[in-house]
Amino acid sequence: QTVVTQEPSFSVSPGGTVTLTCGLSSGSVSTSYYPSWYQQTPGQPPRTLIYSTNTRSSGVPDRFSGSILGNKAALTITGAQADDESDYYCVLYMGSGIWVFGGGTKLTVL
Amino acid sequence: QVQLVESGGGVVQPGGSLRLSCAASGFTFSSYGMHWVRQAPGKGLEWVAFIRYDGSDKYYADSVKGRFTISRDNSKNTLYLQMNSLRAEDTAVYYCAKNYGTSAYFDYWGQGTLVTVSS
Repeated sequence: QTVVTQEPSFSVSPGGTVTLTCGLSSGSVSTSYYPSWYQQTPGQPPRTLIYSTNTRSSGVPDRFSGSILGNKAALTITGAQADDESDYYCVLYMGSGIWVFGGGTKLTVL
Repeated sequence: QVQLVESGGGVVQPGGSLRLSCAASGFTFSSYGMHWVRQAPGKGLEWVAFIRYDGSDKYYADSVKGRFTISRDNSKNTLYLQMNSLRAEDTAVYYCAKNYGTSAYFDYWGQGTLVTVSS
């Protein structure tokens, strides 16, 4: 059973930079997993931020960026703002028509 | 603009069945794969199922395989999820999501419909 791992929680100061990661319980994340990232606030559907590792979705500010760092996918927020306080989810494509979400990271901006 | 509107949620007893629908507009529905993703109360997102643009292939998470069936009617621009043998752990908000082209991510999401499995 493949498990996609994310930090359960993270905090960042306003104006600061934070990097959230997305890993695998076994193995390394590469671009072949087409990692994507989604932001969700309570009561709302997810919003697509990043796809195919590092491509920003339409309308997403350039302070959000994606990459591969070591053996994980990463979402970096530069110059964090109060309204970045949300849950962030990564999802990996495992191939053969199967996707797996990470458990999500609750980001606090304070 | 792209719109995805889910319906069909409600309260159902364990072991019961329910069919969800997702009405799509603002894009050529018959050209895109579609997903169902769910979120249990207070929990994270879970991918449930995917269907190719023409319905030729369907894929499921292990947690629902054999109980749920994804389908589509391209003439009606509508995606479906037939849920049978429902369990308490299927209680969740169910979202439909559009797949981006031939890539492997979700670019548009509906607002979701709540399914509660309870006696």
